[in-house]
Amino acid sequence: AQSVTQLGSHVSVSEGALVLLRCNYSSSVPPYLFWYVQYPNQGLQLLLKYTSAATLVKGINGFEAEFKKSETSFHLTKPSAHMSDAAEYFCAVTAPGEGRRALTFGSGTRLQVQP
Amino acid sequence: EAGVAQSPRYKIIEKRQSVAFWCNPISGHATLYWYQQILGQGPKLLIQFQNNGVVDDSQLPKDRFSAERLKGVDSTLKIQPAKLEDSAVYLCASSRDSTYEQYFGPGTRLTVT
Repeated sequence: AQSVTQLGSHVSVSEGALVLLRCNYSSSVPPYLFWYVQYPNQGLQLLLKYTSAATLVKGINGFEAEFKKSETSFHLTKPSAHMSDAAEYFCAVTAPGEGRRALTFGSGTRLQVQP
Repeated sequence: EAGVAQSPRYKIIEKRQSVAFWCNPISGHATLYWYQQILGQGPKLLIQFQNNGVVDDSQLPKDRFSAERLKGVDSTLKIQPAKLEDSAVYLCASSRDSTYEQYFGPGTRLTVT
């Protein structure tokens, strides 16, 4: 079984500041990990994914995340926040190699960007 | 490539009524998922199809929820009868057999009064 914990339901940063959204996972097998972004009244859009290749993963819109097995973490970062980054962000985990490919999501972190 | 289509986008019903949601996945995507997203929470899987077969429906409340995927393409999710706690956004997603990336539709926001 897998689970995801996202620390901080709300994060507020100033425009141009570093964005850090935290995600810790639990998995009985080596996991695949994902970050999705959700804008108001829209579905989820994939930002980036970790599928057991490079541990530092780059995604769209300048975001990146680092898989740290020893810390069971997959934190999302962006060096400089833009107003357009304001949205809800979800970390998700799945167990590769099984027929059941459904994602287990965290409860989300709402990012606010102050001008 | 066209994305995942869902309809309707919004639906308001009274408790004990029935409702149906429709999803058309991305062309060529064999796997289709329905998720329920309650306000303030992350999406939770209801059911996963591979072509027109069910892979996982362990979290589907089968006494009131049903889903089908005829011909391995479109899918319909039905709730009958609806309860107040069914108020949520219902998300449909699809993926290719060869990847774990899921592509989500815009969702259907259901309000049960």
